[in-house]
Amino acid sequence: GQQLNQSPQSMFIQEGEDVSMNCTSSSIFNTWLWYKQDPGEGPVLLIALYKAGELTSNGRLTAQFGITRKDSFLNISASIPSDVGIYFCAGQPFDISNFGNEKLTFGTGTRLTIIP
Amino acid sequence: DVKVTQSSRYLVKRTGEKVFLECVQDMDHENMFWYRQDPGLGLRLIYFSYDVKMKEKGDIPEGYSVSREKKERFSLILESASTNQTSMYLCASSSPGLDPYEQYFGPGTRLTVT
Repeated sequence: GQQLNQSPQSMFIQEGEDVSMNCTSSSIFNTWLWYKQDPGEGPVLLIALYKAGELTSNGRLTAQFGITRKDSFLNISASIPSDVGIYFCAGQPFDISNFGNEKLTFGTGTRLTIIP
Repeated sequence: DVKVTQSSRYLVKRTGEKVFLECVQDMDHENMFWYRQDPGLGLRLIYFSYDVKMKEKGDIPEGYSVSREKKERFSLILESASTNQTSMYLCASSSPGLDPYEQYFGPGTRLTVT
C-alpha cells in the first residue's frame, strides 16, 4: 500500500530545545494528522490538518499541511520531559477509489528522547 | 471525550489457540479499525468496519477475521495463533462527518504467542 516517509526516525534532544519532524509522500494527500504515542499506550491525536497550507497550533505544538499536499511538518517548541514518546504522521491519500473510504496511511514514527 | 477500550492490555497464548481481542467504543462511531504495530513498520491495517455486520480487509488480513455484531463492539479473531502474530494490537474508531479521518485509539493489547 501507500508509504509515508517520516523523518527523522529518532531524535535525542535536551529539555528546552525545539523539535522539528516531517512526513513526505510521493502522492497527494487530502488530510494530514499527527499522533503521539506514550510507551505502552495507544496513539493520541494531536493535530488534524485539512487544507493545503494550513498551519494549526495545539499549545507548544504547531503543524503544517504542505502547499504541495505531499508533506506535513510538526514542530514542538521548548520541549519538556512529557514530550517523550513516538510521534506518528498519518494521512488520507487523494485517490478517487478512496472516496468515502476513511482509511489512513501511517508513517513509521519519530522517537523523541530527552537527554537529562 | 472519546473512549475506546480493549479487553486486555497483555495476553499470552499458545501456538494454535483461537484468540479473541475485543474493542468497545462509547461515542457511537460508525467506523472501527484493527491495526497491528511492530517496531520499524508503523501501524498496519488488518481489518476495518464501517457499519454493523460490514467489514473490509485492510493491508494484512491473512490469519485474522473480525466480527461486528453491535455498533460499539469490534472483535478481532486469530483463528489459530502463530508466533509471527506476536505484536501490539490497536483498535480505533472514527465517525463520518466533519472530521471523518480523525481516528481515536484504544490503549492496545500486547499479544505474545509462544
